[in-house]
Amino acid sequence: NAGVTQTPKFQVLKTGQSMTLQCAQDMNHEYMSWYRQDPGMGLRLIHYSVGAGITDQGEVPNGYNVSRSTTEDFPLRLLSAAPSQTSVYFCASSYRNANTEAFFGQGTRLTVV
Amino acid sequence: SQQGEEDPQALSIQEGENATMNCSYKTSINNLQWYRQNSGRGLVHLILIRSNEREKHSGRLRVTLDTSKKSSSLLITASRAADTASYFCATDDSSYKLIFGSGTRLLVRP
Repeated sequence: NAGVTQTPKFQVLKTGQSMTLQCAQDMNHEYMSWYRQDPGMGLRLIHYSVGAGITDQGEVPNGYNVSRSTTEDFPLRLLSAAPSQTSVYFCASSYRNANTEAFFGQGTRLTVV
Repeated sequence: SQQGEEDPQALSIQEGENATMNCSYKTSINNLQWYRQNSGRGLVHLILIRSNEREKHSGRLRVTLDTSKKSSSLLITASRAADTASYFCATDDSSYKLIFGSGTRLLVRP
């Protein structure tokens, strides 16, 4: 039972490049979400999904796209990377919704130069 | 805007002492959760307290919730060096959004 797996762990991008951060969970959780963590600002919600085929915006969605074609996977796409997107990104899942315990991946440290 | 705000931002104590962290939030909630984050790692769930509960215990952790004051506190008793981490409260502004505060950095000195 791997829990929540994020890849890659580290990534350096040039401004304007695009990339996809992968997130997979093997707990059959309905709810998945993406956060970014910047120094001194805690975690901010980017996008979330309450089930396959359903996604919605969080607090800071601009510059990011998501999709949820399966229950297991919830990739986060950066369309055109900017230095302001330098951050640590965390994927999380929970059994049904935001009211239950969230399980986090180990994070992806992204640097945009 | 962030729903929960922790206080203090940083706390340094001696091993064996108790550590108390506070969280204030802005709107009505269904429940409140506390998480721990060790340096460079993902968050780990500690405890969940529902809006109709006033106090909850888990091992050396004690959480209180005062919905009239929109505040919660996390008490860690008999702290250990391994408790050194950042602690976050998280509240749901609906069933669909779990919003985190900015955290308290706890240092437990051996």
